[in-house]
Amino acid sequence: QKEVEQNSGPLSVPEGAIASLNCTYSDRGSQSFFWYRQYSGKSPELIMFIYSNGDKEDGRFTAQLNKASQYVSLLIRDSQPSDSATYLCAVNAGYALNFGKGTSLLVTP
Amino acid sequence: DVKVTQSSRYLVKRTGEKVFLECVQDMDHENMFWYRQDPGLGLRLIYFSYDVKMKEKGDIPEGYSVSREKKERFSLILESASTNQTSMYLCASSPDPAGYYEQYFGPGTRLTVT
Repeated sequence: QKEVEQNSGPLSVPEGAIASLNCTYSDRGSQSFFWYRQYSGKSPELIMFIYSNGDKEDGRFTAQLNKASQYVSLLIRDSQPSDSATYLCAVNAGYALNFGKGTSLLVTP
Repeated sequence: DVKVTQSSRYLVKRTGEKVFLECVQDMDHENMFWYRQDPGLGLRLIYFSYDVKMKEKGDIPEGYSVSREKKERFSLILESASTNQTSMYLCASSPDPAGYYEQYFGPGTRLTVT
């Protein structure tokens, strides 16, 4: 079974700080990596995707991929209370995506 | 803008009933997926479809079946609902190739089986 692992949290950060969310995966052949945000009672929404080693930035969000170490991370700069949610990491597995169980982030004012 | 819609946000059914959950996407995506999400267990894939009338079992297909008669519509069927099928059900779609591109999710159906 190909695994995607995330720390369940909660990760608590003060407003304005950098939140760092991490994810490891077991399938060395994985090529596509995604971060989703899920508010309580809502469905997941895509934040970022990354395919190549290195960093990819989009506004306050930066995705980092290290295929050699099999981890992908998401940095949220200038965290806001509205960023409080569960963040799901997803990695391709054939036709489908394998999702981690998510990390709960709490940004405190 | 991709839009995935699901027929109901909340549904309450009795044990033994046949339940239909409908999903429609408007972006001409080839691939559609059904997941269930439970606390502590995360998102688990039930079935997916990569073309009309084509389907593949996911990780937890037992007790479920699916139908895809038209490209835009993917239905999940609970043949005889049981209380352990109480869950949040999420439909998603993605363009080809599946697995390479992101999946877009519908709003979800919270199903309660009593």
